[in-house]
Amino acid sequence: EVVLTQSPGALSLSPGQRATLSCRASERINSGYVAWFRQRPGQAPRLLMYGASRRATGVSDRFSGSGSGTDFTLTISRLEPEDAAVFYCQQYNYSPFTFGPGTKVHIK
Amino acid sequence: DVQLVESGGALVQPGGSLRLACAASGFNFSDYGLNWVRQAPGKGLEWLSYISSSSSSIYYTDSAKGRFTISRDNAKNSLYLQMNSLRDDDTALYFCARLQHYYDSDSYYGEALDVWGQGTMIIVSS
Repeated sequence: EVVLTQSPGALSLSPGQRATLSCRASERINSGYVAWFRQRPGQAPRLLMYGASRRATGVSDRFSGSGSGTDFTLTISRLEPEDAAVFYCQQYNYSPFTFGPGTKVHIK
Repeated sequence: DVQLVESGGALVQPGGSLRLACAASGFNFSDYGLNWVRQAPGKGLEWLSYISSSSSSIYYTDSAKGRFTISRDNAKNSLYLQMNSLRDDDTALYFCARLQHYYDSDSYYGEALDVWGQGTMIIVSS
């Protein structure tokens, strides 16, 4: 099973700042099968990025993704209050299609 | 609108069974693979199972193997999850999600869960 580790577990930033979220896999993953999701309290997850670096339909260009192999990053530039959420990475390369434990973003 | 709506959640005793359903609308259901994902209260997301568009490929996570069965009825635009031998740690919000493939005439860009339902809650307790 591919284990995804996300760091940091939580971060607290002010509006306008940049957030950098990391997702590390226990083995190499094809970047085409790495996705990022945002889950606000009480809501279903929403797809932000697919293929590690491609924004899903309707996603703000404040979100960008990068990475390959075992290390992947989601960057949120110019944080807004609405970005308060938990962010998850997922790999869809090898079954079971595991999620990371999430990074909770708090907006000060 | 593209939509997935889960149903069937309930309070059930340990050892009991339950069948979840996910009704799809707004897209050609038979073209897409589908997944079940769950989230225990206050916890992260756990992928459970996948079924391909024709039901020819099915995958489960270890905790679901032997207890849960995923199926679909393309004529009814519906996805199902039969859950048996339920345990306390199956208590969770259960989501269905569509698997989207991203490609154009030149390249394949990947795949991801692009549409999610709002979830249905299962509580396993005596």
